[in-house]
Amino acid sequence: AQKVTQAQTEISVVEKEDVTLDCVYETRDTTYYLFWYKQPPSGELVFLIRRNSFDEQNEISGRYSWNFQKSTSSFNFTITASQVVDSAVYFCALSEPPRRMRFGAGTRLTVKP
Amino acid sequence: DGGITQSPKYLFRKEGQNVTLSCEQNLNHDAMYWYRQDPGQGLRLIYYSQIVNDFQKGDIAEGYSVSREKKESFPLTVTSAQKNPTAFYLCASSIGAGGSTDTQYFGPGTRLTVL
Repeated sequence: AQKVTQAQTEISVVEKEDVTLDCVYETRDTTYYLFWYKQPPSGELVFLIRRNSFDEQNEISGRYSWNFQKSTSSFNFTITASQVVDSAVYFCALSEPPRRMRFGAGTRLTVKP
Repeated sequence: DGGITQSPKYLFRKEGQNVTLSCEQNLNHDAMYWYRQDPGQGLRLIYYSQIVNDFQKGDIAEGYSVSREKKESFPLTVTSAQKNPTAFYLCASSIGAGGSTDTQYFGPGTRLTVL
């Protein structure tokens, strides 16, 4: 069965610090997809990234970057120069065929001014 | 603007009552989903539908029911059989075409409180 582990329940940093959110997954599928979502205090989940298991290239989008390593079954998310607006709960998710997703428990990030 | 709407934002229910949560999308997506989120926990799948007039149980379907009569709409009924219904409910949709897992896009959620 699919499993997603986000071991960090809560992280607190000061603005401008870099922070990495960990995600470790388990799957027997050879083709799978990994996702990150952001849940701000308003509650709606905002899609950040979708990554195919065949594409191990790291991805950078502004202050956000993702490191995908199949050898360690990890898909970690780094925020560079964090800002107060980054405060949210972040979820990692793994595809579960045929069309479902399995979510981790989430990491609550607090960025203090 | 295309998107997913959920109503109401807050819902209060007395014990023993059924209540229906609305979810509408105008993204022309085939697949729709209902999740439940409890404090400090991730999302758990209640029901999902890949096409009109068809739906499947998720991991925690007991005490819930759904219908999918229109492509745009996927209402969720929380029945009196659901023992602990107080939670945050999120609806999502995805394109649904092909065999891969598509990105799911979420609505703003409904917070249900049982009094």
